[in-house]
Formats: sequence, structure tokens, C-alpha cells
Amino acid sequence: AQSVTQLDSQVPVFEEAPVELRCNYSSSVSVYLFWYVQYPNQGLQLLLKYLSGSTLVESINGFEAEFNKSQTSFHLRKPSVHISDTAEYFCAVIKVSGTYKYIFGTGTRLKVLA
Amino acid sequence: GAGVSQSPSNKVTEKGKDVELRCDPISGHTALYWYRQSLGQGLEFLIYFQGNSAPDKSGLPSDRFSAERTGGSVSTLTIQRTQQEDSAVYLCASSLGGGGTEAFFGQGTRLTVV
Repeated sequence: AQSVTQLDSQVPVFEEAPVELRCNYSSSVSVYLFWYVQYPNQGLQLLLKYLSGSTLVESINGFEAEFNKSQTSFHLRKPSVHISDTAEYFCAVIKVSGTYKYIFGTGTRLKVLA
Repeated sequence: GAGVSQSPSNKVTEKGKDVELRCDPISGHTALYWYRQSLGQGLEFLIYFQGNSAPDKSGLPSDRFSAERTGGSVSTLTIQRTQQEDSAVYLCASSLGGGGTEAFFGQGTRLTVV
């Protein structure tokens, strides 16, 4: 079975500061990795995903995540956050083959302070 | 429709009553998922439908929970004899199927059991 751990339930950070949201996963088989974001009073939407190839993936709004197979991690980073990045961020995995159900972490609430 | 549609958006019910939650997935999406989102619990997988295959019901918390998907499209999640611990936001998502595809989420149904 797969599992996802997001150790930080809340991360406060000042505007324009860098941030890293941690995600570790456990799986006996190969997985794809995703970050989803939920802005206040909105539904979840995909931020970025890793399927194969370059282990560093980027989103259109400046976030990036690096897949590290040896450490089974997929941490999300942004060098300079904005107030508008305040949201809840969920890391998720899905098996490369077999039953394609997404397993999500418990989420990290990012609060950007002015 | 343009996105995943869920109804109702809010539901308040008395303990012991049955409720039905509806999900209209994106047209053409063969995979449909139900998740439950509770404060501090992240997204809890409930059930997954893929085409005509038998659904993966491994996440349903008790036999009071059931779901069906008619004609490969609309899905209904039914909770019988509701309990206060069933209070949560129930999220539906759909995708084209396959491990690397993006899941599109609805806005959810907020269920409150009083």
C-alpha cells in the first residue's frame, strides 16, 4: 500500500520569503507524484506533477518540486512567496500501474504574512 | 459541463437519516473518485470507479456507506443512518483514467449531521 506524509500541518512565512513544504511517501511499487492546491473556498486543483524524466518539475506560478527517489521525497519549494499563495497544499501519489487511486497526505496550510 | 459538478453544495441532516450526494463528472472521464475531507485529516479515499470494472471500495469506512455510478457517468454516494462523525466535506473527482492523468475535483458537498 502507498502512504504520504506531510509533517507540517501549518507553515507561516512572510511575503517574499522562500518556503519549502515537505512531502515523503512510502510505496513498494513505482508511483507518480502530484501536488494539489486548495485556495480558500475553492476546490482542489493540480499544481504540478512528476511522471518521468527530469526530477525537477515546475508550475506556472513559480513553484517547483524535486523527486528524490532515494529519500522518497517530493518537496515543494518557492523562492519568494506572495500573499496570494496562501492556501492548503496536498501531496499525492498514484501507482504507475494497477488501481489508479490517488493517495493524499494530510495537507499543509501555507499562510503568507504581510 | 465544463467541470465536475456536485450537489447539493451544503446538506444539514439529522442523526439517523439517510443522505444522497450526487456527482456529475466531466464528460468522457472514465475514472471517478469520492474522497472525504475532514479538518486535520486530509483527503480520505472512499471509492474509485474505472469504466466498467468493479469499483475499488476499500476506503468506505462502514457498511452504512455505498456508492454507485450509473451508465458510466453520474455517481451517487449514499450514507445511511448518518452519525455525527460523518460530518465532513465530500469531494468527487474525475479523470481520463490512467496513472499519470490529472484528477479534476468538484467543489464538494459539506455535510453536517446534527
